[in-house]
Amino acid sequence: DTGVSQDPRHKITKRGQNVTFRCDPISEHNRLYWYRQTLGQGPEFLTYFQNEAQLEKSRLLSDRFSAERPKGSFSTLEIQRTEQGDSAMYLCASSLAEGGGTQYFGPGTRLLVL
Amino acid sequence: SQQGEEDPQALSIQEGENATMNCSYKTSINNLQWYRQNSGRGLVHLILIRSNEREKHSGRLRVTLDTSKKSSSLLITASRAADTASYFCATDAWNKAAGNKLTFGGGTRVLVKP
Repeated sequence: DTGVSQDPRHKITKRGQNVTFRCDPISEHNRLYWYRQTLGQGPEFLTYFQNEAQLEKSRLLSDRFSAERPKGSFSTLEIQRTEQGDSAMYLCASSLAEGGGTQYFGPGTRLLVL
Repeated sequence: SQQGEEDPQALSIQEGENATMNCSYKTSINNLQWYRQNSGRGLVHLILIRSNEREKHSGRLRVTLDTSKKSSSLLITASRAADTASYFCATDAWNKAAGNKLTFGGGTRVLVKP
């Protein structure tokens, strides 16, 4: 399967703990996006990478959130000192710069903060 | 914040009937995309329509775009039980900083009864 993959698929953590999620995009895609989706809502943009450069961050991405894409391939999203309000589905998507904007989404990581 | 408003929020139909859902947005766009999401899963790209296009077809899907009214519609013909899902419109207002960041609506939950 050459689609976008995310790991883990589910994560349960206690408030105050740190968590890290991984996204592996489609191999030739140079653009990578993170979105967050809460129950009953549409996804909301968090951040965007072109190759290894993080070009935009949403104001939703507080100081407790950090994302990296060290070699322009996979990306990680870390949440420090998790809060119950961080409970959501975290979605990763990738696209080609020349692909006309179609984004291909991974299955998501569902986070529950107790 | 979410740009798109989708109408209706929920739709229940019998198998074989057509399903129509609408999306309105607020700002200028590069393109508009429709995605499907089965419960608790990732998003599947259905169709992309560019701002200079008015109608597009893909299998049983028909999408229209009216940029003067800032609205789009998705029609699913001859629905099947497998079409049961949430459907989201997403607008892409490309810029160099944010790439093809997508802004999603709240979604329409479609139930197709056998």
